[in-house]
Amino acid sequence: GENVEQHPSTLSVQEGDSAVIKCTYSDSASNYFPWYKQELGKRPQLIIDIRSNVGEKKDQRIAVTLNKTAKHFSLHITETQPEDSAVYFCAASMEDTGRRALTFGSGTRLQVQP
Amino acid sequence: DTGVSQDPRHKITKRGQNVTFRCDPISEHNRLYWYRQTLGQGPEFLTYFQNEAQLEKSRLLSDRFSAERPKGSFSTLEIQRTEQGDSAMYLCASSLAWVVASGSSYNEQFFGPGTRLTVL
Repeated sequence: GENVEQHPSTLSVQEGDSAVIKCTYSDSASNYFPWYKQELGKRPQLIIDIRSNVGEKKDQRIAVTLNKTAKHFSLHITETQPEDSAVYFCAASMEDTGRRALTFGSGTRLQVQP
Repeated sequence: DTGVSQDPRHKITKRGQNVTFRCDPISEHNRLYWYRQTLGQGPEFLTYFQNEAQLEKSRLLSDRFSAERPKGSFSTLEIQRTEQGDSAMYLCASSLAWVVASGSSYNEQFFGPGTRLTVL
């Protein structure tokens, strides 16, 4: 089955700096890669996703890149703000057919210092 | 609130008791998923429905666990003879699968607030 590894497990940055979180996946058939943000005691919230037919996607301060050959994808947050502090999870699945359930990474706790 | 809802939000039970959780997905979402999340970990897949059909079950789902989605709307997850190792947050997610001209189907999953189970 699919295995998703995520690092770092914790990341501390100064407000205004950039943050990068990286994930690798094992199943080359995976083609959908969402990122979720989970604040303490709250539900995971989808913040951005990417499909294997594109290499990069951007939404304001958040971007995701995908390298299918190397089987890794990354989340980039620019101009970080204290409200970006949360746990971020990457995930992978196969759309259309096969495994539609998400396989999650173990999470990255991001702390943005004001 | 038009998001995914779950009930109860918290459940404390004694070992050996049965518990049942309910999930109401976003209206018209045809896929419904159950995940389990323990402290400091990402959600782990348990089972998934498309409409009323249970299409996939994880190896994590022992025979003490059963899930239903009788009319393709809300779903229930029952755990029989609970064990302390069942203590976790049980998350439900729903999605609307649809096909665009390119042939791709979209599967953004939206999560509910979860039911936190504590087994004493």
